[in-house]
Amino acid sequence: EVQVLESGGGLVQPGGSLRLSCAASGFTFSNYAMSWVRQAPGKGLEWVSVISGSGGSRYYADSVKGRFTISRDDSKNMVYLQMNSLRAEDTAVYYCIKKSDSGWQYNWFDPWGQGTLVTVSS
Amino acid sequence: DVQMTQSPSSLSASIGDRVTITCRASQNIYRYLNWYQQKPGKAPTLLIYEASTLQSGVPSTFSGSGSGTEFTLTISSLQPGDLATYYCQQSYNIPTTFGGGTKVEIK
Repeated sequence: EVQVLESGGGLVQPGGSLRLSCAASGFTFSNYAMSWVRQAPGKGLEWVSVISGSGGSRYYADSVKGRFTISRDDSKNMVYLQMNSLRAEDTAVYYCIKKSDSGWQYNWFDPWGQGTLVTVSS
Repeated sequence: DVQMTQSPSSLSASIGDRVTITCRASQNIYRYLNWYQQKPGKAPTLLIYEASTLQSGVPSTFSGSGSGTEFTLTISSLQPGDLATYYCQQSYNIPTTFGGGTKVEIK
């Protein structure tokens, strides 16, 4: 069964840092792009970042560019989201998602992890 | 960025009703349009990809159509388990963008 499982969420003060992890299983991890999407409480879905199957391409939403870094370790079937300079508006459930192929476009998200809550507050 | 506009933002329908949700893109996205279902308190799941292809395991009461800038998600006969918020998403361009969601309630 294809699965992705996030961890690392929690409460952090504004300006602080947090690293989210995502463990993948049930598929050949290196062949697929991975992405993060977030959802603020009571709000819709906002794409955050994507890393290609090779790890050679990474893209970010303007709202997180320069503050967040996506990475992957194909030897461990893991993807990470390093979040720095966190703001109150970064408060959200963060979902790790497998893309349907190795690229960053012309594909879809499936499956989604269960999400991990990040709360930025003093 | 490609703007995705869903309508309506919410609707209430009876069991067995036909429900249609519309998603409009601000530019031509060909058929690079996906639909997701998010049940209360759960992560989204994929319903339809590339505008009209039903994801494995999704009931045949769901269908998608459209191309270019206008797309529809149809539930042919609403069931109690369809209570959810539905999102469209374009994968034609970076950043990928989602519609604002349509909350479906059961009368």
